[in-house]
Amino acid sequence: EVQLVESGGNLVQPGGSLRLSCAASGFSFNYYDMNWVRQAPGKGLKWVSYISSSGSTIYYADSVKGRFTISRDNAKNSLYLQMNSLRAEDTAVYYCARSRDAYNGFDYWGQGALVTVSS
Amino acid sequence: DIQMTQSPSSLSASVGDRVTITCRASQSISTYLSWYQQKPGKAPRLLIYAASSLQSGVPSRFSGSGSGTDFTLTISSLQPEDFATYYCQQTYSTPWTFGQGTKVEI
Repeated sequence: EVQLVESGGNLVQPGGSLRLSCAASGFSFNYYDMNWVRQAPGKGLKWVSYISSSGSTIYYADSVKGRFTISRDNAKNSLYLQMNSLRAEDTAVYYCARSRDAYNGFDYWGQGALVTVSS
Repeated sequence: DIQMTQSPSSLSASVGDRVTITCRASQSISTYLSWYQQKPGKAPRLLIYAASSLQSGVPSRFSGSGSGTDFTLTISSLQPEDFATYYCQQTYSTPWTFGQGTKVEI
C-alpha cells in the first residue's frame, strides 16, 4: 500500500524556520517525482514545489522561491521541505504528493502537516 | 502564469443528479489537466488525469473531457459520497496551478 506521511508541522514565529518531512512507503520512491502543495485555512490548493525522481530538476512557486528548499533522500525514501523566513501567509496545511510525470497528475497524497506562522 | 477558472464556484444538487463542472485555462494546455476531489479535513484524491483518463479505483460515474482551454468534469449520477469540493489543475507549465474549486452541496 502506498503511504505518504508528513511530519514537522508546528507553530513558528514570523521570520523563523521549519523543516517538513514526508516519509514514503509501499512503492519505489526513487522512480517517482514528488511535490509539495499547500492549502491555507478555508482556501484552495496551491502548488509549492517539485523535485524530479533523481533530484536533478527542481521548481518553485514564485511566492516561496529563495525561502524554501525542496530535497529528497532516495536511500531513506524521504522528501523534505526546508522553510526559512516564514511569513504569516505561509500558514497552511502542507501536503506531499507523488507524480509519475506531468501528464498523469498527483496520484497519491499524504494526510498533510499544519504549519502556523504567528507571533 | 496560467490561470485556471472553474465554474460554478458552488452548486446544489440531489442524489441521482447529473453534475457538470467546467474549467477554463487562460491559454492552451493541451490535455495536461487533472481533476481532484477533496472532502473536509482530508487530502485531495485524483479522479481524472490527462483530461479524460479515469484514475484506477475511481467509479465510472466520473468522466472528464476537453482539450486546449476548455474542460469538463461530469458526475453522471451523484451519490451521497460525492458531496465534496472539486479542483482542476494544469501541469502543462510551471507554476502548476489549480482552479479555485467547486463545492458540490446538497
